[in-house]
Amino acid sequence: DTEVTQTPKHLVMGMTNKKSLKCEQHMGHRAMYWYKQKAKKPPELMFVYSYEKLSINESVPSRFSPECPNSSLLNLHLHALQPEDSALYLCASSQGARAQETQYFGPGTRLLVL
Amino acid sequence: QQQVKQSPQSLIVQKGGISIINCAYENTAFDYFPWYQQFPGKGPALLIAIRPDVSEKKEGRFTISFNKSAKQFSLHIMDSQPGDSATYFCAASRGNQGGKLIFGQGTELSVKP
Repeated sequence: DTEVTQTPKHLVMGMTNKKSLKCEQHMGHRAMYWYKQKAKKPPELMFVYSYEKLSINESVPSRFSPECPNSSLLNLHLHALQPEDSALYLCASSQGARAQETQYFGPGTRLLVL
Repeated sequence: QQQVKQSPQSLIVQKGGISIINCAYENTAFDYFPWYQQFPGKGPALLIAIRPDVSEKKEGRFTISFNKSAKQFSLHIMDSQPGDSATYFCAASRGNQGGKLIFGQGTELSVKP
C-alpha cells in the first residue's frame, strides 16, 4: 500500500475561521511533508517532520501550524488565513528525510479562503 | 543557486512521437534528480530518478539523460500516448537537506491522438 490519504478533499473557510487539514499514511514512513501548490506552479515545501519532530520550516507564516501526533498522522492547523493562501495543500511521506527517498504524495486538499 | 530551470513550459506532441523536457541546475551539490508526473486533481507521483554518477537511466518508455558537466538533465518519453498528458516536474535535492526537493516550474504535456 503506497497510499497517502488527505482529508478533506475541499475546504472553504473565512479569514476568521480555524480549520485543520489531515494526512495519514500506513507505509511505516518516518518523514512527512506539507507542500503548498498554486495553479500551474510547482509544489512549494512548507514543513518537514522527521521521526515526529519538525526538521524543516520554510519560513511559513505562523497562521499555519503543523502537528505530527504520531508517525502515521500529520495535521496542518489553519487560523486567520488570507485569500492568497488559497491553494492545493499536498501531504507527502517518505521512508526517511533523505535526498534519495521517494516521496509519495497524497491527492491534496483544495483550500479556498474567502 | 537553489533553482532548477525547466523548459518548455508547455509541449504538444502527436501520439507516437517523442516528448523531450529539459532541466538545468546551478548547484553542483545536488545529488539526486527525480522527475514527477502530476495529473489534474492528483498529487505528483515519482516517474523516474537518477543520480549524477549515471549518464542515462531508462524505465520502459521513459529515459533520463544526465550531463553532469553541463549541469543539465532531460526526460525523454518515447512513443508518447494520450495517457501521458500531464504536468511533469523535474526536481533536485541534496543529501544533507533533509529530503527537501527543489522543483522546476513544470511542463504541461499534451499528447494529441
